Amino acid sequence: AQRVTQPEKLLSVFKGAPVELKCNYSYSGSPELFWYVQYSRQRLQLLLRHISRESIKGFTADLNKGETSFHLKKPFAQEEDSAMYYCALATGANSKLTFGKGITLSVRP
Amino acid sequence: GAGVSQSPRYKVAKRGQDVALRCDPISGHVSLFWYQQALGQGPEFLTYFQNEAQLDKSGLPSDRFFAERPEGSVSTLKIQRTQQEDSAVYLCASSLQGTGSYEQYFGPGTRLTVT
Repeated sequence: AQRVTQPEKLLSVFKGAPVELKCNYSYSGSPELFWYVQYSRQRLQLLLRHISRESIKGFTADLNKGETSFHLKKPFAQEEDSAMYYCALATGANSKLTFGKGITLSVRP
Repeated sequence: GAGVSQSPRYKVAKRGQDVALRCDPISGHVSLFWYQQALGQGPEFLTYFQNEAQLDKSGLPSDRFFAERPEGSVSTLKIQRTQQEDSAVYLCASSLQGTGSYEQYFGPGTRLTVT
């Protein structure tokens, strides 16, 4: 069965510091991975997906099949990045999502 | 444009009561998903519709949970004889196509509290 692991619950950094949110997955098929973000009082929304290989709001994530990881990175954190971040894996013909438990990112001024 | 909407936003039910949660997907979206998010956890898949067909209900935790989408648009998730362990946020998401890696757009969720 598929699984997504986010080993940390909270990451607190100062503004301008680098950020790395860890995500590991377990899946026997070809993975499709996503990062979703939930800002305070807002709904869950897509941040980026590995297929598009794009950078959104300065965040990037590279799929490493050897390490089964999809870590989210940003070189210089901003206060507005403070939010809950979920890593997710799409599986099956319907692309249902399996989520990790999420990590709270807190960026202090 | 309007996003996915859900109602009610909050629901308090006494143990044993039946509840019905509604989801209005984005117009024209073929796929509709229901997820359950317990406190401190990530969302967990419940069921999936492609138009009016329920193609995957593997995540429904018991036969007390029932979902429908009779006309291929609005969907209702019904929970019969609610239990305390049903307390969670129920999220609905829709996406444009039936298969493939299309973005899922989430609603605000319904927070269900069973007392």
